[in-house]
Amino acid sequence: LAKTTQPISMDSYEGQEVNITCSHNNIATNDYITWYQQFPSQGPRFIIQGYKTKVTNEVASLFIPADRKSSTLSLPRVSLSDTAVYYCLADTGGFKTIFGAGTRLFVKA
Amino acid sequence: NAGVTQTPKFQVLKTGQSMTLQCAQDMNHNSMYWYRQDPGMGLRLIYYSASEGTTDKGEVPNGYNVSRLNKREFSLRLESAAPSQTSVYFCASSVKGARTDTQYFGPGTRLTVL
Repeated sequence: LAKTTQPISMDSYEGQEVNITCSHNNIATNDYITWYQQFPSQGPRFIIQGYKTKVTNEVASLFIPADRKSSTLSLPRVSLSDTAVYYCLADTGGFKTIFGAGTRLFVKA
Repeated sequence: NAGVTQTPKFQVLKTGQSMTLQCAQDMNHNSMYWYRQDPGMGLRLIYYSASEGTTDKGEVPNGYNVSRLNKREFSLRLESAAPSQTSVYFCASSVKGARTDTQYFGPGTRLTVL
């Protein structure tokens, strides 16, 4: 299973764009990259998923370069409510999904 | 739709006691999962059920048993609780475990073992 590496924590201010980068050097050809968000005392929630290039939804954008060894989650104009832990997963090949420690994003006023 | 529900929300046990954590989903999903999350850590997979009638070990199965009662329900049992099992337990479900599958999580059960 592909191992991912992401920063332990990040700070930002309201209204800024936040980019969280995830490294996945051993990603397999068939692996997708998926991001989850977890608020305190809640279960993780799916944010976005992609395979290559760029994916955008109402919450975030996901940029994946051609070599697919890394990916970047972009959160536009964050608010205080975006304070959470963000998990990058590579290899959603069914059942044995691995959640790392994630990136703790703290948004300040 | 309630999504994924878990009971109880909180539980305190003494070492050696047993208990069962309940999980149910109303999304007609085939696959269900049990994770534990220790403070400041990511989630670790305990057991999963790819489909009704099957269960398999995850990363940290020791000290736990599971039952896939039917398509909706997946329970986790601690036969003899230990302080090391103090954690938050999350149940999740997904459509079929495909590569693009999204997991939907319940609100969690906070368990303390004294």
